[in-house]
Amino acid sequence: NAGVMQNPRHLVRRRGQEARLRCSPMKGHSHVYWYRQLPEEGLKFMVYLQKENIIDESGMPKERFSAEFPKEGPSILRIQQVVRGDSAAYFCASSPKTGSSYEQYFGPGTRLTVT
Amino acid sequence: QQQVKQSPQSLIVQKGGISIINCAYENTAFDYFPWYQQFPGKGPALLIAIRPDVSEKKEGRFTISFNKSAKQFSLHIMDSQPGDSATYFCAASLQGGSEKLVFGKGMKLTVNP
Repeated sequence: NAGVMQNPRHLVRRRGQEARLRCSPMKGHSHVYWYRQLPEEGLKFMVYLQKENIIDESGMPKERFSAEFPKEGPSILRIQQVVRGDSAAYFCASSPKTGSSYEQYFGPGTRLTVT
Repeated sequence: QQQVKQSPQSLIVQKGGISIINCAYENTAFDYFPWYQQFPGKGPALLIAIRPDVSEKKEGRFTISFNKSAKQFSLHIMDSQPGDSATYFCAASLQGGSEKLVFGKGMKLTVNP
């Protein structure tokens, strides 16, 4: 059973460009979370999605950031008009949320650098 | 109310020693407490987790101790090995909602040979 997959692993964007980060959950998992990690910091929750639905976006910046999890294909975190402060590692996690299992399994992350 | 505070920020132990990481939380509604291990350049990996209806859980060399009244929980790594050198994060969440994880800031563990 393949783990959570994220791509690209590294992404360099110039200020003002758009960044698209992709996440494919573990097989059988239909719940996806996105977290952001700044250097020397813990992970901060951004958004929680199920297929075709945003369930909780309380951690998402109000502007420039959006997320989706379509019926088919990976979940995508989109950052428009990137700024240097967006430089961070972005992790997605998936969860089966069945029975008593609410464990979240993380992907390897996408490291975004804004120049 | 949503914070999880972790200490110490870093720890150096000798091979074979015991590593202890402490976390404190504020939101008494939290009911799921996992620990994650992260190596440089990698994603966090789930190590062990506990719910507040038990005071201790052990898996191999890793033990979680939970003190509900003090709103504290800790991770003990017995017989620490150089391969345990990593950053450890505690987290908490509230089941029944979005189950989003609230993370501590992490502790960098170095185990010397």
